[in-house]
Amino acid sequence: GESVGLHLPTLSVQEGDNSIINCAYSNSASDYFIWYKQESGKGPQFIIDIRSNMDKRQGQRVTVLLNKTVKHLSLQIAATQPGDSAVYFCAEMPEGSARQLTFGSGTQLTVLP
Amino acid sequence: EPEVTQTPSHQVTQMGQEVILRCVPISNHLYFYWYRQILGQKVEFLVSFYNNEISEKSEIFDDQFSVERPDGSNFTLKIRSTKLEDSAMYFCASRESGRAGKNIQYFGAGTRLSVL
Repeated sequence: GESVGLHLPTLSVQEGDNSIINCAYSNSASDYFIWYKQESGKGPQFIIDIRSNMDKRQGQRVTVLLNKTVKHLSLQIAATQPGDSAVYFCAEMPEGSARQLTFGSGTQLTVLP
Repeated sequence: EPEVTQTPSHQVTQMGQEVILRCVPISNHLYFYWYRQILGQKVEFLVSFYNNEISEKSEIFDDQFSVERPDGSNFTLKIRSTKLEDSAMYFCASRESGRAGKNIQYFGAGTRLSVL
């Protein structure tokens, strides 16, 4: 079946550097994408979202890029901080009334001092 | 800030027993969801609920599972006869509406279910 997947299971970056987390999706019917952050023992926390009619969206220190041609999503974190250490999931939402999320496998981001 | 709350945080049960996981979604939200996450794996959709009925369910959500909104605030997931493989984190989520800008699903902290 169709699924959302992540390219890298782990990513280590130096504090202050920029982080890029990638995600591939395969459901062409998805029109909405979300990045979530999950810290140990907690539920997924919303970071940023993007609709399929956009290719870039910026938040505070985060940017999401969407390339529909190759079905690729990325999350850029500027000036990564120790508090950014977590597992990051991309999720896609297909059109339809229920709008349930399909999550990718997750990338563990570790920020090194 | 409004949040989704789940109780208990950890539930330990014997195989074959019934469990009820409880959630209080954000008060003005209309769409409710249950997801599960087996240790070390990705979050998986179980069921969505809107207007007092199930709107979508996954293959995981078999006859052993049921959901209910018994009153105006609680949203529960019942597993009738737990199996070892039901051990996982169970997350409740809610969404305000289908309008643009209101699609974000907010998650609770989860209930860790351990089936022995």
